[in-house]
Amino acid sequence: AQSVSQHNHHVILSEAASLELGCNYSYGGTVNLFWYVQYPGQHLQLLLKYFSGDPLVKGIKGFEAEFIKSKFSFNLRKPSVQWSDTAEYFCAVVQDTGFQKLVFGTGTRLLVSP
Amino acid sequence: SQTIHQWPATLVQPVGSPLSLECTVEGTSNPNLYWYRQAAGRGLQLLFYSVGIGQISSEVPQNLSASRPQDRQFILSSKKLLLSDSGFYLCAWQSGTASTDTQYFGPGTRLTVL
Repeated sequence: AQSVSQHNHHVILSEAASLELGCNYSYGGTVNLFWYVQYPGQHLQLLLKYFSGDPLVKGIKGFEAEFIKSKFSFNLRKPSVQWSDTAEYFCAVVQDTGFQKLVFGTGTRLLVSP
Repeated sequence: SQTIHQWPATLVQPVGSPLSLECTVEGTSNPNLYWYRQAAGRGLQLLFYSVGIGQISSEVPQNLSASRPQDRQFILSSKKLLLSDSGFYLCAWQSGTASTDTQYFGPGTRLTVL
């Protein structure tokens, strides 16, 4: 069975610091990869996704993620975080078999202090 | 535009009591519907999904059941709650069936079983 690991459960940064959140998955076949974000008081929403092409994908609000197939990783990055980035971030994987059954990581709570 | 509703937002129930959580989607037809649960310290786990009225697939054996009486209504139920049913329950919808399609999440229901 697939699994997704997010190694950082809680991250605290100051504004303008750089961010990298790790995500590793266990499935060896073709996968599609997602990062979802839940801001305080809001619904879980899509930040970015990768399913083919350029392994460096850009999402909303200046986030990007790089798919490294050899490392089974899909790390999320942002060069300079803002207080408004405070949220919980979830990495998710789905097998590229046609029907989407997402497997989520445990999430990373990011707190950005002003 | 499409919207997804869940209620109630929070619920505290005694062990052994029944449960009914409702999810409705507006602005789309024939969506794929999903129920997820996040237990404390764990990632979002897919519980059920449905591709149409009356069609329910269960992903994990458990004390819960799901039903889809109408195209845009998805209900999560239990006859007798267990302590282990506590968690955050999320409903999601997806317009297509491809693994690359985005899932859109509702606001969630936080269930505490005492």
